[in-house]
Amino acid sequence: KNEVEQSPQNLTAQEGEFITINCSYSVGISALHWLQQHPGGGIVSLFMLSSGKKKHGRLIATINIQEKHSSLHITASHPRDSAVYICAADYGGATNKLIFGTGTLLAVQP
Amino acid sequence: NAGVTQTPKFQVLKTGQSMTLQCAQDMNHEYMSWYRQDPGMGLRLIHYSVGAGITDQGEVPNGYNVSRSTTEDFPLRLLSAAPSQTSVYFCASGAYYQPQHFGDGTRLSIL
Repeated sequence: KNEVEQSPQNLTAQEGEFITINCSYSVGISALHWLQQHPGGGIVSLFMLSSGKKKHGRLIATINIQEKHSSLHITASHPRDSAVYICAADYGGATNKLIFGTGTLLAVQP
Repeated sequence: NAGVTQTPKFQVLKTGQSMTLQCAQDMNHEYMSWYRQDPGMGLRLIHYSVGAGITDQGEVPNGYNVSRSTTEDFPLRLLSAAPSQTSVYFCASGAYYQPQHFGDGTRLSIL
């Protein structure tokens, strides 16, 4: 059983819309990662956070430790944001071992 | 700075053949890992290493072997390829408590 759940699995948005992707995990973690994967492409780390909120450009990641929940927000979405977004829970501490969600496929239409 | 380099990018094998997927990083990271990515499933950890000479099993290690003789290299060996090993394989490296860096992946098909 995967210990990291993402929702939605698929998401279609119009250019300019505000997008939210959710991630829930089952037990205490040392950090939560958000990654991006373009079709047929490699995987890029977007955020690593253990508390609060981080922002990079139009991307914002938040985490609520008490509720074991994280969200990734994209403001003013653009077709180039179309990708798979993956969250991963870091349970391993010093071993950097990650448990991955199954990903959210985002399509932003012009 | 090349980051994490995986070779080959694509490979087709016949059942029973063996091969090695190469992974090299030039960031002096202690931690390296191999994942497989299958449709409908999250990335799953095959093997990982916390430093030269130290390796350990992940979630799905059966049928795979690894070694870590240098900090830079972490090859993954398929001992006797099976169709169930058809997948996309990613190598990653990182410093502790830092985001991991991923290679571009190797798409492997076993016939």
